[in-house]
Amino acid sequence: DAGVTQSPTHLIKTRGQQVTLRCSPKSGHDTVSWYQQALGQGPQFIFQYYEEEERQRGNFPDRFSGHQFPNYSSELNVNALLLGDSALYLCASSLDLGFDGYTFGSGTRLTVV
Amino acid sequence: RKEVEQDPGPFNVPEGATVAFNCTYSNSASQSFFWYRQDCRKEPKLLMSVYSSGNEDGRFTAQLNRASQYISLLIRDSKLSDSATYLCVVNTNAGKSTFGDGTTLTVKP
Repeated sequence: DAGVTQSPTHLIKTRGQQVTLRCSPKSGHDTVSWYQQALGQGPQFIFQYYEEEERQRGNFPDRFSGHQFPNYSSELNVNALLLGDSALYLCASSLDLGFDGYTFGSGTRLTVV
Repeated sequence: RKEVEQDPGPFNVPEGATVAFNCTYSNSASQSFFWYRQDCRKEPKLLMSVYSSGNEDGRFTAQLNRASQYISLLIRDSKLSDSATYLCVVNTNAGKSTFGDGTTLTVKP
């Protein structure tokens, strides 16, 4: 039973560029949440997708957008990259509202130079 | 003030010690509560859910006090392998989850 898979694992981008990160949820899960984790901090909630709609959003600018596909996989897009966007981006999947907790992927480490 | 606050530590304890972590949250609409464990440069992994009645899983005991908006995690008989960062997580019934910044535990021989 595959867990949550994310791609790519590492990425280096230049300021101003755009990036797309991908996530496939754990089998049987229908909800995908994205988090940004800076060094020494806990994961910060970006947004959550359910039934191909953004259901909840954290305090992130519109440069951060996402999508969920009919097979429940998801993408995170970040436009106009800033140096401060350098972080570990984590995808987590759950069944609906996640009352049983979330399963995380191993993340994409994004470096903006 | 952060929505979820944890003592960052670090907690440095000898093997066999008992250690307790605390977490407070500010959103009274929070519905579900968890402790996650995160090893260095790895993803968080669910350790246990936290219920009002308290729950235990082997050496780990979690407690929730809704009135005080407080969550705790107790680890008994610490092992070297317990060394990690422990993250407190609070979910609203709308699906938003908020993580604390974590408490770092180092168990020494």
